Amino acid sequence: GEDVEQSLFLSVREGDSSVINCTYTDSSSTYLYWYKQEPGAGLQLLTYIFSNMDMKQDQRLTVLLNKKDKHLSLRIADTQTGDSAIYFCAESIRSSYKLIFGSGTRLLVRP
Amino acid sequence: DGGITQSPKYLFRKEGQNVTLSCEQNLNHDAMYWYRQDPGQGLRLIYYSQIVNDFQKGDIAEGYSVSREKKESFPLTVTSAQKNPTAFYLCASSPSGLAGEKETQYFGPGTRLLVL
Repeated sequence: GEDVEQSLFLSVREGDSSVINCTYTDSSSTYLYWYKQEPGAGLQLLTYIFSNMDMKQDQRLTVLLNKKDKHLSLRIADTQTGDSAIYFCAESIRSSYKLIFGSGTRLLVRP
Repeated sequence: DGGITQSPKYLFRKEGQNVTLSCEQNLNHDAMYWYRQDPGQGLRLIYYSQIVNDFQKGDIAEGYSVSREKKESFPLTVTSAQKNPTAFYLCASSPSGLAGEKETQYFGPGTRLLVL
Protein backbone atom coordinates (compact mmCIF):
# COMPACT_ATOMS: atom_id res chain seq x y z
CA GLY A 1 0.00 0.00 0.00
CA GLU A 2 0.91 3.66 -0.09
CA ASP A 3 2.22 5.12 3.13
CA VAL A 4 4.78 7.79 3.98
CA GLU A 5 5.92 8.28 7.56
CA GLN A 6 7.87 11.02 9.27
CA SER A 7 8.76 11.84 12.84
CA LEU A 8 6.63 14.66 14.19
CA PHE A 9 9.15 17.00 15.74
CA LEU A 10 12.81 17.99 15.63
CA SER A 11 14.58 20.67 17.65
CA VAL A 12 18.10 21.88 16.84
CA ARG A 13 20.35 24.73 17.84
CA GLU A 14 21.05 27.50 15.35
CA GLY A 15 24.18 26.70 13.32
CA ASP A 16 23.89 22.94 13.79
CA SER A 17 22.83 20.53 11.05
CA SER A 18 19.28 19.20 10.93
CA VAL A 19 18.37 15.79 9.58
CA ILE A 20 14.73 15.05 8.81
CA ASN A 21 13.86 11.46 8.02
CA CYS A 22 11.10 9.86 5.99
CA THR A 23 10.18 6.27 5.17
CA TYR A 24 7.86 5.10 2.42
CA THR A 25 6.36 1.77 1.49
CA ASP A 26 5.65 1.84 -2.24
CA SER A 27 8.56 0.37 -4.19
CA SER A 28 7.33 1.91 -7.46
CA SER A 29 8.22 5.45 -6.37
CA THR A 30 9.62 7.51 -9.23
CA TYR A 31 10.33 10.87 -7.63
CA LEU A 32 10.55 11.90 -3.99
CA TYR A 33 10.06 15.48 -2.89
CA TRP A 34 10.71 17.71 0.09
CA TYR A 35 8.36 20.64 0.70
CA LYS A 36 8.54 23.35 3.37
CA GLN A 37 5.48 24.95 4.96
CA GLU A 38 5.70 28.09 7.05
CA PRO A 39 2.83 28.98 9.43
CA GLY A 40 -0.40 29.78 7.61
CA ALA A 41 1.19 29.41 4.18
CA GLY A 42 1.17 27.00 1.28
CA LEU A 43 3.85 24.43 0.51
CA GLN A 44 7.13 25.53 -1.05
CA LEU A 45 9.09 23.00 -3.05
CA LEU A 46 12.60 22.64 -1.64
CA THR A 47 14.08 19.85 -3.70
CA TYR A 48 13.36 16.48 -5.25
CA ILE A 49 15.30 13.34 -6.16
CA PHE A 50 14.75 10.74 -8.83
CA SER A 51 14.42 7.22 -7.45
CA ASN A 52 17.54 5.90 -9.19
CA MET A 53 19.76 8.47 -7.46
CA ASP A 54 21.41 8.06 -4.06
CA MET A 55 22.14 11.66 -3.25
CA LYS A 56 21.43 15.18 -4.37
CA GLN A 57 23.01 18.35 -3.02
CA ASP A 58 21.61 21.84 -3.44
CA GLN A 59 23.40 24.55 -1.46
CA ARG A 60 22.66 23.88 2.22
CA LEU A 61 20.35 20.96 1.42
CA THR A 62 21.45 17.35 0.97
CA VAL A 63 18.98 14.62 0.12
CA LEU A 64 19.93 10.99 0.70
CA LEU A 65 17.89 8.12 -0.68
CA ASN A 66 18.28 4.49 0.41
CA LYS A 67 16.00 2.70 -1.99
CA LYS A 68 16.63 -0.72 -0.45
CA ASP A 69 15.37 0.47 2.94
CA LYS A 70 12.86 2.93 1.40
CA HIS A 71 14.37 5.70 3.49
CA LEU A 72 14.72 9.34 2.50
CA SER A 73 16.43 12.07 4.49
CA LEU A 74 16.88 15.82 4.20
CA ARG A 75 19.95 17.38 5.79
CA ILE A 76 20.02 21.14 6.30
CA ALA A 77 23.51 22.46 7.00
CA ASP A 78 24.06 25.51 9.22
CA THR A 79 20.39 25.62 10.25
CA GLN A 80 19.01 29.11 10.72
CA THR A 81 15.96 30.39 12.64
CA GLY A 82 14.31 31.03 9.27
CA ASP A 83 14.40 27.29 8.63
CA SER A 84 11.82 26.76 11.40
CA ALA A 85 8.80 25.29 9.60
CA ILE A 86 7.02 22.02 8.85
CA TYR A 87 8.79 19.82 6.32
CA PHE A 88 6.84 17.31 4.24
CA CYS A 89 8.23 14.48 2.21
CA ALA A 90 6.12 13.20 -0.68
CA GLU A 91 6.42 10.49 -3.27
CA SER A 92 5.04 10.11 -6.75
CA ILE A 93 4.45 6.55 -7.85
CA ARG A 94 4.48 5.04 -11.30
CA SER A 95 0.82 4.07 -11.51
CA SER A 96 -0.72 7.16 -9.98
CA TYR A 97 -1.50 10.77 -10.71
CA LYS A 98 -1.07 11.95 -7.17
CA LEU A 99 1.57 12.68 -4.57
CA ILE A 100 1.55 10.73 -1.32
CA PHE A 101 2.45 13.03 1.58
CA GLY A 102 3.86 12.27 5.00
CA SER A 103 2.30 13.98 8.00
CA GLY A 104 5.13 16.49 8.26
CA THR A 105 8.04 17.13 10.65
CA ARG A 106 7.98 20.35 12.62
CA LEU A 107 11.50 21.77 12.84
CA LEU A 108 12.23 24.22 15.64
CA VAL A 109 15.53 26.09 15.52
CA ARG A 110 16.65 27.44 18.89
CA PRO A 111 18.84 30.54 19.01
CA ASP B 1 4.62 37.25 -11.61
CA GLY B 2 3.64 33.67 -12.34
CA GLY B 3 1.96 31.69 -9.65
CA ILE B 4 -1.12 30.34 -8.00
CA THR B 5 -3.57 32.52 -6.13
CA GLN B 6 -6.27 31.40 -3.75
CA SER B 7 -9.05 33.47 -2.29
CA PRO B 8 -10.24 34.27 0.20
CA LYS B 9 -7.51 33.73 2.81
CA TYR B 10 -10.16 33.04 5.47
CA LEU B 11 -13.73 31.86 4.89
CA PHE B 12 -16.55 31.31 7.32
CA ARG B 13 -19.37 28.91 6.66
CA LYS B 14 -22.74 28.72 8.35
CA GLU B 15 -24.62 25.49 8.87
CA GLY B 16 -26.28 24.24 5.67
CA GLN B 17 -24.43 26.70 3.49
CA ASN B 18 -22.38 25.96 0.38
CA VAL B 19 -19.18 27.94 -0.02
CA THR B 20 -16.78 28.21 -2.96
CA LEU B 21 -13.01 28.54 -2.75
CA SER B 22 -11.22 30.14 -5.66
CA CYS B 23 -7.98 28.93 -7.26
CA GLU B 24 -6.34 30.62 -10.25
CA GLN B 25 -3.00 29.91 -11.90
CA ASN B 26 -1.09 31.72 -14.65
CA LEU B 27 1.61 29.09 -15.05
CA ASN B 28 -0.06 27.59 -18.13
CA HIS B 29 -0.28 24.26 -16.30
CA ASP B 30 -2.72 21.62 -17.52
CA ALA B 31 -3.23 19.83 -14.20
CA MET B 32 -4.73 21.27 -11.03
CA TYR B 33 -5.40 19.75 -7.61
CA TRP B 34 -7.26 20.41 -4.38
CA TYR B 35 -5.93 19.14 -1.05
CA ARG B 36 -7.25 19.32 2.46
CA GLN B 37 -4.87 19.71 5.42
CA ASP B 38 -5.90 18.99 9.00
CA PRO B 39 -3.68 19.82 11.99
CA GLY B 40 -0.82 17.36 12.46
CA GLN B 41 -1.68 15.51 9.27
CA GLY B 42 -0.39 15.39 5.77
CA LEU B 43 -2.29 16.55 2.73
CA ARG B 44 -5.22 14.52 1.42
CA LEU B 45 -6.36 14.82 -2.18
CA ILE B 46 -9.95 15.95 -2.75
CA TYR B 47 -10.19 16.33 -6.54
CA TYR B 48 -7.84 16.74 -9.44
CA SER B 49 -8.13 17.78 -13.07
CA GLN B 50 -5.69 16.92 -15.83
CA ILE B 51 -7.39 18.95 -18.54
CA VAL B 52 -10.16 21.47 -19.07
CA ASN B 53 -13.70 20.09 -18.69
CA ASP B 54 -12.45 16.92 -16.99
CA PHE B 55 -11.82 16.09 -13.34
CA GLN B 56 -11.60 13.03 -11.09
CA LYS B 57 -12.30 12.29 -7.45
CA GLY B 58 -9.41 11.97 -5.08
CA ASP B 59 -9.34 10.16 -1.75
CA ILE B 60 -11.86 12.34 0.13
CA ALA B 61 -14.25 13.78 -2.51
CA GLU B 62 -17.50 13.30 -0.57
CA GLY B 63 -19.15 16.61 0.27
CA TYR B 64 -17.10 18.55 -2.28
CA SER B 65 -17.59 19.52 -5.93
CA VAL B 66 -15.38 21.16 -8.54
CA SER B 67 -15.51 22.54 -12.07
CA ARG B 68 -12.83 23.15 -14.69
CA GLU B 69 -14.29 25.41 -17.35
CA LYS B 70 -11.05 27.30 -17.93
CA LYS B 71 -7.43 26.16 -17.86
CA GLU B 72 -6.53 28.84 -15.34
CA SER B 73 -9.31 28.22 -12.84
CA PHE B 74 -10.33 25.29 -10.63
CA PRO B 75 -12.88 26.38 -7.99
CA LEU B 76 -13.82 24.07 -5.13
CA THR B 77 -17.30 24.09 -3.57
CA VAL B 78 -17.69 22.79 -0.05
CA THR B 79 -21.28 21.65 0.16
CA SER B 80 -23.56 21.29 3.17
CA ALA B 81 -23.03 17.52 2.86
CA GLN B 82 -19.46 17.95 4.14
CA LYS B 83 -20.05 17.60 7.88
CA ASN B 84 -16.57 18.50 9.06
CA PRO B 85 -15.32 21.20 6.69
CA THR B 86 -13.03 23.08 9.07
CA ALA B 87 -9.55 22.72 7.56
CA PHE B 88 -6.85 24.42 5.53
CA TYR B 89 -7.44 23.98 1.79
CA LEU B 90 -4.55 24.02 -0.64
CA CYS B 91 -4.71 24.26 -4.40
CA ALA B 92 -1.82 23.08 -6.56
CA SER B 93 -0.95 22.80 -10.23
CA SER B 94 1.56 20.86 -12.30
CA PRO B 95 2.56 21.01 -15.97
CA SER B 96 0.69 17.98 -17.25
CA GLY B 97 -0.35 15.60 -14.48
CA LEU B 98 1.11 12.59 -16.23
CA ALA B 99 1.29 9.60 -13.92
CA GLY B 100 4.76 8.95 -12.54
CA GLU B 101 6.52 11.65 -14.53
CA LYS B 102 8.44 14.41 -12.82
CA GLU B 103 5.35 16.39 -12.17
CA THR B 104 6.35 18.93 -9.61
CA GLN B 105 3.29 20.38 -7.97
CA TYR B 106 3.29 24.06 -7.08
CA PHE B 107 1.04 25.23 -4.30
CA GLY B 108 -1.05 28.30 -3.63
CA PRO B 109 -1.07 30.10 -0.25
CA GLY B 110 -4.18 28.28 1.01
CA THR B 111 -7.65 29.14 2.32
CA ARG B 112 -8.61 28.47 5.91
CA LEU B 113 -12.28 27.48 6.23
CA LEU B 114 -14.02 27.83 9.57
CA VAL B 115 -17.53 26.82 10.53
CA LEU B 116 -19.65 29.28 12.53
